[in-house]
Amino acid sequence: AQSVTQPDIHITVSEGASLELRCNYSYGATPYLFWYVQSPGQGLQLLLKYFSGDTLVQGIKGFEAEFKRSQSSFNLRKPSVHWSDAAEYFCAVAPMDSNYQLIWGAGTKLIIKP
Amino acid sequence: DTEVTQTPKHLVMGMTNKKSLKCEQHMGHRAMYWYKQKAKKPPELMFVYSYEKLSINESVPSRFSPECPNSSLLNLHLHALQPEDSALYLCASSQDRLAGGETQYFGPGTRLLVL
Repeated sequence: AQSVTQPDIHITVSEGASLELRCNYSYGATPYLFWYVQSPGQGLQLLLKYFSGDTLVQGIKGFEAEFKRSQSSFNLRKPSVHWSDAAEYFCAVAPMDSNYQLIWGAGTKLIIKP
Repeated sequence: DTEVTQTPKHLVMGMTNKKSLKCEQHMGHRAMYWYKQKAKKPPELMFVYSYEKLSINESVPSRFSPECPNSSLLNLHLHALQPEDSALYLCASSQDRLAGGETQYFGPGTRLLVL
């Protein structure tokens, strides 16, 4: 079955430190890949997406993600986190035969230490 | 502009009330979605409208009734809800099918509390 795994339920990082959030997917072909961020009580904001081409994707707010086909991974990174980055981060995939449905990871809550 | 708007932001209703949630987008998107999100969980798809026709109903109870009056508007009519229906309701839209490489854009959500 198609699935998305975010192995870390929560991650604590000091302000100014680097960040990597993990995402692995299980699907036969390379799907379309997304990272969304959700601040408390808010909607979901698209950080970045991968459809094809360059495997290193740049997004908003200084985030980037790297697609690794051999590892079925799409990890999100940021070189230096800010307190305002504290939020829930969701990885999602749209299988290439999907009309409208996204498969979501369980989410990773990012906590920033001052 | 990738804005999806939702009203109201918050809603408290009793189990016998009838209320509606509204969603609007002016990006010319032809697919619109309703999701339900419980705390600390990813969103769960409820309904999808494509070209103003209901394409997906994820076995949602009939106390939730979607409506797409035109290509820019999406409503969710609520009637006789249960306390377990309390959640954040998110609207989203995309240009067209995701299989075509499209992206879903989300609104800020309506926080619903059923008493």
